[in-house]
Amino acid sequence: GIQVEQSPPDLILQEGANSTLRCNFSDSVNNLQWFHQNPWGQLINLFYIPSGTKQNGRLSATTVATERYSLLYISSSQTTDSGVYFCAVEISSGTYKYIFGTGTRLKVLA
Amino acid sequence: ETGVTQTPRHLVMGMTNKKSLKCEQHLGHNAMYWYKQSAKKPLELMFVYSLEERVENNSVPSRFSPECPNSSHLFLHLHTLQPEDSALYLCASSQDVGGDEQFFGPGTRLTVL
Repeated sequence: GIQVEQSPPDLILQEGANSTLRCNFSDSVNNLQWFHQNPWGQLINLFYIPSGTKQNGRLSATTVATERYSLLYISSSQTTDSGVYFCAVEISSGTYKYIFGTGTRLKVLA
Repeated sequence: ETGVTQTPRHLVMGMTNKKSLKCEQHLGHNAMYWYKQSAKKPLELMFVYSLEERVENNSVPSRFSPECPNSSHLFLHLHTLQPEDSALYLCASSQDVGGDEQFFGPGTRLTVL
């Protein structure tokens, strides 16, 4: 089946630093989302980005579907950015599948 | 209320108990989903419903029984669970199945003793 791998698995940043999180997937997908899971378990939608580039404040994302990867950029990180970042991909070929990556655990230090 | 809500937020049950998790979406969506998030594992899709019809069951044991009485409500009935079923159970909804953004509820943290 399709593999969704995220890197790095863990990341520690000083407040104000920039970072890039990567999501690689092994097959063609219909769409891709980025989420931030806060310490209470809530998944917060960041981007719905099957292709192209989007920006929302300090966050931006780029998906290159033909090369099977997506990047999430966090600029000027804040302590509230801490948590786990997931990418998830959707496949609809016969059966419906929505597969989450293993996540990147981010800790931003004050 | 807006978005996707789940109750209860926490649940502790014995292996012989029967309990139900409830999910309600206020987004006018047609599709609803149950996911399981165990410690140290990626989120796993359990069930998919489209307009109250189940369209996917990803090899989930029969001790988990979903119910979708209408497009706004989704239940997960639990019976004779095992300790390894302890996890965060998340509900999500999207406009339709396939090609749409999913929105998640806050989850129910389940502990099976």
